[in-house]
Amino acid sequence: RKEVEQDPGPFNVPEGATVAFNCTYSNSASQSFFWYRQDCRKEPKLLMSVYSSGNEDGRFTAQLNRASQYISLLIRDSKLSDSATYLCVVKLTDSWGKLQFGAGTQVVVTP
Amino acid sequence: NAGVTQTPKFQVLKTGQSMTLQCAQDMNHEYMSWYRQDPGMGLRLIHYSVGAGITDQGEVPNGYNVSRSTTEDFPLRLLSAAPSQTSVYFCASSYSSGPLVDTEAFFGQGTRLTVV
Repeated sequence: RKEVEQDPGPFNVPEGATVAFNCTYSNSASQSFFWYRQDCRKEPKLLMSVYSSGNEDGRFTAQLNRASQYISLLIRDSKLSDSATYLCVVKLTDSWGKLQFGAGTQVVVTP
Repeated sequence: NAGVTQTPKFQVLKTGQSMTLQCAQDMNHEYMSWYRQDPGMGLRLIHYSVGAGITDQGEVPNGYNVSRSTTEDFPLRLLSAAPSQTSVYFCASSYSSGPLVDTEAFFGQGTRLTVV
């Protein structure tokens, strides 16, 4: 079983619509959570950290549910430029920077 | 700002050949790591370093060596290339990633390696 699991998609989203997707993690010792964005054939880049109380960054909202061991990402008012693969990333407690990556959820925003 | 620089961007090797993937960062980051990315799988950690002179194995270290003689450089060596090592390789660095510290990981542009 994968440590971090994501629906691979693709999620086809009309421009201006809202899309949300989850990521589940298996290790309860997970300490920190992030969403990274990866454009086709490019390197991953940090989109946002995920805090216990949930957090927003513009059109992006991230939530953490420790009891059910999942995090979510919601994108409002989708733009064409939001088309990318979104990687769920988990860091375990007491791990020296070792990040666990999900395989990614592909989002395709269509005109 | 250069950030994390990886070379080469593309490489084709024959089975059994060796090569070194270069990674350099100019941000004075303590922590550097190498990942491989395969279709349908998340990035998997190969080796990492928490500072010059200190390296350790990640999840999939077999067939790879690393060294960290300077803060800036963290090369990855393929000892005897195998087709199973065909992948996209990413080098990453972060300022500090101690057990209780979270900082952003910056990635290089990747190396697309094909072993035939």
